[in-house]
This record gives sequence, structure tokens and C-alpha cells, in this order.
Amino acid sequence: QVHLEESGPGLVKPSETLSLTCTVSGGSVSSSGFYWEWIRQPPGKGLEWIGNFYYDGTTSVRPSLRSRATISVDTSKNHFSVKLTSVTASDTGVYFCARRHDILTGHDGFDVWGQGTMVAVST
Amino acid sequence: QSVLTQPPSVSGAPGQTITISCTGTSSNIGSGFDVNWYQQLPGTAPKLLIYGNRHRPSGVPDRFSGSKSGTSTSLAITGLQAEDEADYYCQSYDNGLSGVVFGGGTKLTVL
Repeated sequence: QVHLEESGPGLVKPSETLSLTCTVSGGSVSSSGFYWEWIRQPPGKGLEWIGNFYYDGTTSVRPSLRSRATISVDTSKNHFSVKLTSVTASDTGVYFCARRHDILTGHDGFDVWGQGTMVAVST
Repeated sequence: QSVLTQPPSVSGAPGQTITISCTGTSSNIGSGFDVNWYQQLPGTAPKLLIYGNRHRPSGVPDRFSGSKSGTSTSLAITGLQAEDEADYYCQSYDNGLSGVVFGGGTKLTVL
């Protein structure tokens, strides 16, 4: 059974870089047929897709964050990460990592989620 | 403003049936991309409820069902129970944005 766990600082200062890591257990980030995703949720608001890493090495980031967000993976540690530069208060929220199926597997839903980690951007 | 449109809230009494709509455009649902639905209980991560428009993962009660027509999809919950009180999100893929899109979420209140 695949398990995901986010880790990283809970407080980041404005203009600095937010860095989070998602450790995968019970599975491999190199497994074919899956995207490894980052999603965030501002306080009291809905889900917002950040971006993903695909097992073939490609990454994708939502257009509004492309200038600030980087998704990377460390296969030796079986984890993937997100870095968001020049953060502001609007980047405050719960950050989730998740696994999404490639439609080639039959569906493209997010079937495994981490518990989420709260990140506040504040002085 | 979310790419997929959901009503902000719905409510129903125990035992009743409610539906939650999710409307997209020709660049996402209308292009044939599947819709998935998630249930998010307070303070927890979302849980996959429906995938591929109408399929239930193992363990999801058959009280939950999904359907799709054109650029719209719906989630129906029959025999409402108090434990169904949660936020529900639809999700798809958008060709124009080249990425995943979510609906704004619908808060279900069981009266």
C-alpha cells in the first residue's frame, strides 16, 4: 500500500523560498503509469493544482506558477519535491502531495494523498 | 475563479437524495476528459470518490454515483447520512491550460 508524507518548514518569510518534500513508501516514484503531484489549499478555500512529475522525467506546472515553481524528484531517496520562490501571503495554505494515475492505466484520478502540511508565509 | 463550476453549497435531510453539478467547457469536460470526484472531510486530505465519470473505487458505498453529459457532470448521493457532511470537489484535465483543474468545491450540509 502506497503511503505519502509531506515534510518541510511550517513558516516561511515573505520573498523567501518554500521547499517541501514528499516521501513515498510502499511504492516507487519511478513506477510507470503515475504522476506525482502537488496540490495546495488556501485556508477556507478550494483545491489548487500546483504541478507534477511524470515517471518518464517530464514535469508540468500550472501556468500562473511557472515562473516560481519547480518540481523535482530524487529516485535514490524515493521522494519528490516542490520549490516555490518569492512567496507572499497568498501562498499560505495546506500543501498536499498525491499520486495520480495516467489515463493509460484506466483512469486519471488522484488515488493516494499525503495528510497535508500547513505552510504559513509571514514575518 | 475555478475552471470547473460547482454550486458553493447543497443541503439535504437524512435519507434524502442530493446532486452536485460540475460544469466545464469545451477545453476540459467537453473535450472528453474524464471527471473524478473527491470527498474532503474537515481537516483531512481529499479522498477519491468517483473516477472516470462514474466508477467507484473499492470501499466507496453505492450510495455515491456519477454521471456525465456533454460539458457537465453530476455527483449523486442517495440515502444521505450525517457522515456524508463534507466538501466535494470535481476534477478533470484542461487542454488549454495543459494541466489538472478542480472545481471550486461544494459544501454538503446534512440537516
